[in-house]
Amino acid sequence: DTGVSQNPRHKITKRGQNVTFRCDPISEHNRLYWYRQTLGQGPEFLTYFQNEAQLEKSRLLSDRFSAERPKGSFSTLEIQRTEQGDSAMYLCASSAGTVNEKLFFGSGTQLSVL
Amino acid sequence: GENVEQHPSTLSVQEGDSAVIKCTYSDSASNYFPWYKQELGKGPQLIIDIRSNVGEKKDQRIAVTLNKTAKHFSLHITETQPEDSAVYFCAASMNYGGSQGNLIFGKGTKLSVKP
Repeated sequence: DTGVSQNPRHKITKRGQNVTFRCDPISEHNRLYWYRQTLGQGPEFLTYFQNEAQLEKSRLLSDRFSAERPKGSFSTLEIQRTEQGDSAMYLCASSAGTVNEKLFFGSGTQLSVL
Repeated sequence: GENVEQHPSTLSVQEGDSAVIKCTYSDSASNYFPWYKQELGKGPQLIIDIRSNVGEKKDQRIAVTLNKTAKHFSLHITETQPEDSAVYFCAASMNYGGSQGNLIFGKGTKLSVKP
């Protein structure tokens, strides 16, 4: 499978715990995006990387959220001190960053905070 | 900031009929308009997109039209099949620092195609 891969698919945690998600983009895609989707809503942009540089962050990305892409390949999204409001689907997308940029999404990580 | 409105929220059609989903956007600087299909438990799948230098684009049974003056764009699916049943999202973005990837999504349309 050469698509965007996300792990784990599901994560259940207790409020206050830290969680980390991983995204492996399509090979050779230099841009990687994180989105969050809650039930009945469209995805919302969180942040994006071009290679290893984090170039844009949404105001939705509170201080408890941190994302990294250390070698310009896979990325991790960590949420510290989780809250019930963090429950959502966390989606990763990648693109080749060309003039006619197109985003390809993974299947997401469904987070449930109890 | 940009706001995207999508209608209808649900749409039920008979197999073989056409389906039309409409979106409006608020920021005239937006110049990229993709459509995604999302099936239960899966991520959004890009099905077609259009950029502001084009008024219409077609790919087999799917077509998208764009009216920049009115700031609206539409998805047309002809000869619908049961496997077209899913949630469809429109989105809009503008070029920001060389990236088109900060997509503003509509709230989605749940399409049901009855056999």
